Amino acid sequence: DAKTTQPNSMESNEEEPVHLPCNHSTISGTDYIHWYRQLPSQGPEYVIHGLTSNVNNRMASLAIAEDRKSSTLILHRATLRDAAVYYCILRDVWGAGGTSYGKLTFGQGTILTVHP
Amino acid sequence: DGGITQSPKYLFRKEGQNVTLSCEQNLNHDAMYWYRQDPGQGLRLIYYSQIVNDFQKGDIAEGYSVSREKKESFPLTVTSAQKNPTAFYLCASSTGQGASNEQFFGPGTRLTVL
Repeated sequence: DAKTTQPNSMESNEEEPVHLPCNHSTISGTDYIHWYRQLPSQGPEYVIHGLTSNVNNRMASLAIAEDRKSSTLILHRATLRDAAVYYCILRDVWGAGGTSYGKLTFGQGTILTVHP
Repeated sequence: DGGITQSPKYLFRKEGQNVTLSCEQNLNHDAMYWYRQDPGQGLRLIYYSQIVNDFQKGDIAEGYSVSREKKESFPLTVTSAQKNPTAFYLCASSTGQGASNEQFFGPGTRLTVL
């Protein structure tokens, strides 16, 4: 599986933007870039995913480098509820008939601390 | 409400005993997964199932077994052969159909071997 590299931890102040980087230099052409986050003692929660173009949703934005070897998760205005471990994951695609059931391979992620 | 339920939330087991963790989903998803998480670590895949009556070993399947007799259920048995079973266990499901590829996770079961 292609690997990702993330900083161990980052800090931010409430209501400021946060940029969480991820390097994935061995990404293949069919790997999707997924981001999940996990609050303490809870299951992970999907945040966003993309393939080549930048993506936006209600939670965050995903900026993908032109060569796809890195990406950045952007939280536009951090809140205390955004404090979590953020995982950048490359998703393998497997299954027949064009249906993807890709497993997720989690690294250690980035611990985001948000200060009031 | 649609989602994934895991029970129990906390489980204690004596060394040498088998224990079964429950995972149920009402999302009508075909694929289901079991992950294990150790303190300060990311999740590691134990088993996955693409469809009823089919399942595959993940990265750390030794000492675990699963079944998939119904679409909505994917129980995990931690056997006495698992050397270090104390961990946080997470079940997930997903569908590859349509535009969404996200996995939905349950709240987890924290297993402690005494």
